[in-house]
Amino acid sequence: LAKTTQPISMDSYEGQEVNITCSHNNIATNDYITWYQQFPSQGPRFIIQGYKTKVTNEVASLFIPADRKSSTLSLPRVSLSDTAVYYCLVGVSGGSYIPTFGRGTSLIVHP
Amino acid sequence: SAVISQKPSRDICQRGTSLTIQCQVDSQVTMMFWYRQQPGQSLTLIATANQGSEATYESGFVIDKFPISRPNLTFSTLTVSNMSPEDSSIYLCSVILAGDYNEQFFGPGTRLTVL
Repeated sequence: LAKTTQPISMDSYEGQEVNITCSHNNIATNDYITWYQQFPSQGPRFIIQGYKTKVTNEVASLFIPADRKSSTLSLPRVSLSDTAVYYCLVGVSGGSYIPTFGRGTSLIVHP
Repeated sequence: SAVISQKPSRDICQRGTSLTIQCQVDSQVTMMFWYRQQPGQSLTLIATANQGSEATYESGFVIDKFPISRPNLTFSTLTVSNMSPEDSSIYLCSVILAGDYNEQFFGPGTRLTVL
């Protein structure tokens, strides 16, 4: 079971790019990397998923180096509404999948 | 995408009683999970709800305290038994859809307060 390590908190300002890195040294060959966002009083929400290199969607980019032992979630031009907790998970769905959330990174965006 | 409903949305219960939380999904799912999240904390996986068989519990959680049922692909219940104030938490149902790959969808949660 691949464990993940993230910074506990980060601060940023509106309009800046934010990069949150997650370490997963024991990632398995079949594991995917998935990031979630959670606002207070809500369940987590899927942001992005990747296996290697770079993935981009309408809200974020995910950078994964060749060794896959870490990944970086990039949020371009953050706004106040991006203030949330961000979690990275590694694993692959199937009978043995145990989706375990780490402590997450609390991002606070300031005006 | 999936729409997940949980009932009740919140409840206040007395010590020693039990509460059953329902989770209903509007799509076919392959996997269902139950989590607990205490204020300011991350999510802790309680168990994987298996259709037609006993749930798979994580370390620190047992069936006598958190019995789980999953009679079909789209419905599951979690019971918090013999409650104590330490059980006060938000309980979340989560699913992975059939044909999807690791993307989890979460219900709105059930906020439980035990007095």
